[in-house]
Amino acid sequence: AQSVTQLGSHVSVSEGALVLLRCNYSSSVPPYLFWYVQYPNQGLQLLLKYTTGATLVKGINGFEAEFKKSETSFHLTKPSAHMSDAAEYFCAVKEGGSEKLVFGKGTKLTVNP
Amino acid sequence: GAGVSQSPSNKVTEKGKDVELRCDPISGHTALYWYRQSLGQGLEFLIYFQGNSAPDKSGLPSDRFSAERTGGSVSTLTIQRTQQEDSAVYLCASSLAGTSGIDTQYFGPGTRLTVL
Repeated sequence: AQSVTQLGSHVSVSEGALVLLRCNYSSSVPPYLFWYVQYPNQGLQLLLKYTTGATLVKGINGFEAEFKKSETSFHLTKPSAHMSDAAEYFCAVKEGGSEKLVFGKGTKLTVNP
Repeated sequence: GAGVSQSPSNKVTEKGKDVELRCDPISGHTALYWYRQSLGQGLEFLIYFQGNSAPDKSGLPSDRFSAERTGGSVSTLTIQRTQQEDSAVYLCASSLAGTSGIDTQYFGPGTRLTVL
């Protein structure tokens, strides 16, 4: 069965610092991988996704993630944090042939001035 | 264009009552999904509709939960005899085709259900 582990339920960074949110997955077949962001009292918004091809994926708002098959990881990064990045971030996986998203528990990002 | 809309945004009910939650997907999207977001369980898949195919109900937690999708558009999630553990945010999503695995699922703002 697929599962997603997000290391760190809370991450705090200073404005302008590097953002690194970790995601590891378990899957018996090459998965499709997603990062979603949720702002307070809002639904989920797609940041980026990996399906096939280039393993470094660029998304909205300056975020990117790299699919590393050997490490079963899909960590999310942003070089310089903005106050507006404060939100909860969810990593999700879909195995080919399934339409269900399996989510990690989420990481709440705080950006300090 | 309009995104996924859900109603009501908040619902407070008493234990044992039935509730109906509504989802209007993005126009033209043939796939529709329901998820539940709760403090203890995180985000969980509930049910998936694709076109005229039989829905994938594998995530429904009990037979008190049911959903239908009328005319391939609007969907209603019904919870019968609500329990306190049903308190959660119920999120609806839709996608263009929902058959290839790569389609983006677009989420609505959710319905926050509180069972007293």
